[in-house]
Amino acid sequence: DIQMTQSPSAVSASVGDRVTITCRASQGIYYWLAWYQQKPGKAPKLLVYAASTLQSGVPSRFSGSGSGTDFSLTISSLQPEDFATYYCQQAYTFPHTFGGGTKVEIK
Amino acid sequence: EVQLVESGGGLVKPGRSLRLSCAASGFTFSSYSMSWVRQAPGKGLEWVASITSGPGSDIYYADSVRGRFTISRDNAKNSLYLQMNSLRVDDTAVYYCATTTPSTGWYFDLWGRGTLVTVSS
Repeated sequence: DIQMTQSPSAVSASVGDRVTITCRASQGIYYWLAWYQQKPGKAPKLLVYAASTLQSGVPSRFSGSGSGTDFSLTISSLQPEDFATYYCQQAYTFPHTFGGGTKVEIK
Repeated sequence: EVQLVESGGGLVKPGRSLRLSCAASGFTFSSYSMSWVRQAPGKGLEWVASITSGPGSDIYYADSVRGRFTISRDNAKNSLYLQMNSLRVDDTAVYYCATTTPSTGWYFDLWGRGTLVTVSS
């Protein structure tokens, strides 16, 4: 199975900050990577797929990059509604594995 | 309105069975691959099973549930199912159903609100 490792596991940031979360795959997955946002008690929401394609309706302050084994999600200017947990997921092969999550907290 | 609504969760004893359902509306259900993803309390996301669209659907399972869980779909009823047998305490989780848009790959682009399954004696 492909292991997905996210870092950091948590980050404290202020409104307006630039935040970058990284995700590393245990083997190459080309660009087959997605990012999800999850708020407490809610279902995950797809933000980015194919490593860098923004899902319809997602604000442009979110961006994804990377290929192969190393990927990142950047929030260019953190907004109050962005405080949540973020997960990466590889879609290259079954089983479709998720990273352990990164909690973005208010500083 | 495009939505997925899960049902069938509840409290069940170890070793027993439970059947989850996911009702789809607002989109052409038969054209989408479907999946179940679960989340244990306070933990991360775990993919459980997927079924492709169309006739002769391909089915995939996580090793943790293979042989115990069965995913199926009824396109006439716009519904997805997860039959869970021989339930274990570590199957306790919120179970989400999710769609995958065929043209983009195995990304979960629409999720239901989830249904809680608690396995406890």
